[in-house]
Amino acid sequence: QLHLQESGPGLLKPSETLSLTCTVSVGSISSINYYWGWIRQPPGKGLEWIGNVYYNGITYYNPSLKSRVTMSVDTSKNQFSLRLSSVTAADTAVYYCARRQLHALDIWGQGTMVTVSS
Amino acid sequence: QSALTQPPSASGSPGQSVTISCTGTSSDVGGYNHVSWYQQNPGKAPKLMIYEVSKRPSGVPDRFSGSKSGNTASLTVSGLQAEDEADYYCSSYAGSNNLVFGGGTKLTVL
Repeated sequence: QLHLQESGPGLLKPSETLSLTCTVSVGSISSINYYWGWIRQPPGKGLEWIGNVYYNGITYYNPSLKSRVTMSVDTSKNQFSLRLSSVTAADTAVYYCARRQLHALDIWGQGTMVTVSS
Repeated sequence: QSALTQPPSASGSPGQSVTISCTGTSSDVGGYNHVSWYQQNPGKAPKLMIYEVSKRPSGVPDRFSGSKSGNTASLTVSGLQAEDEADYYCSSYAGSNNLVFGGGTKLTVL
């Protein structure tokens, strides 16, 4: 079964850049059938789609975050990444990576908590 | 794009059926047959329960079913079991490769 694992710093200061990596195991990130996405969930709140990246580097972002988001893929490492610039306390959330098959997110990582605090 | 509208809570007794609604617009729920439902237990990642309005991934009990009418999608859980108590989120394709989620519904099994 495909497995996704998020990694990255758990604590950031305001104005810094959030950088997370999702490692895909027991499967290839280079499949033409899937996108690879990021979703976040602030404490006690609902889910928010951040965006996704295709194996060839094509990206799609949530319009509300587009100006601060960059996603990339490294097929040699079977990883994809998220960068979110100029973070504030409002970006404090659990960040999930997930596989997107057409328009459903069928496999999720366990999530990683990122806190923005001075 | 605005979040889809879900009731904050729903409840039912074991064995009963409960339906959770998810209301959007003609630009998302009403415009595409790409509504998904996710179950999330406390401290866990969401799990896909329904995709493309009414399809179930392998391993999801057939007690879970989905439907759509106009701009509103619904998730029905039949024969409620204690293990079904969780948060449920809908999502919909919203064009231009965008996805939008609902605010979530906390399902309580009484």
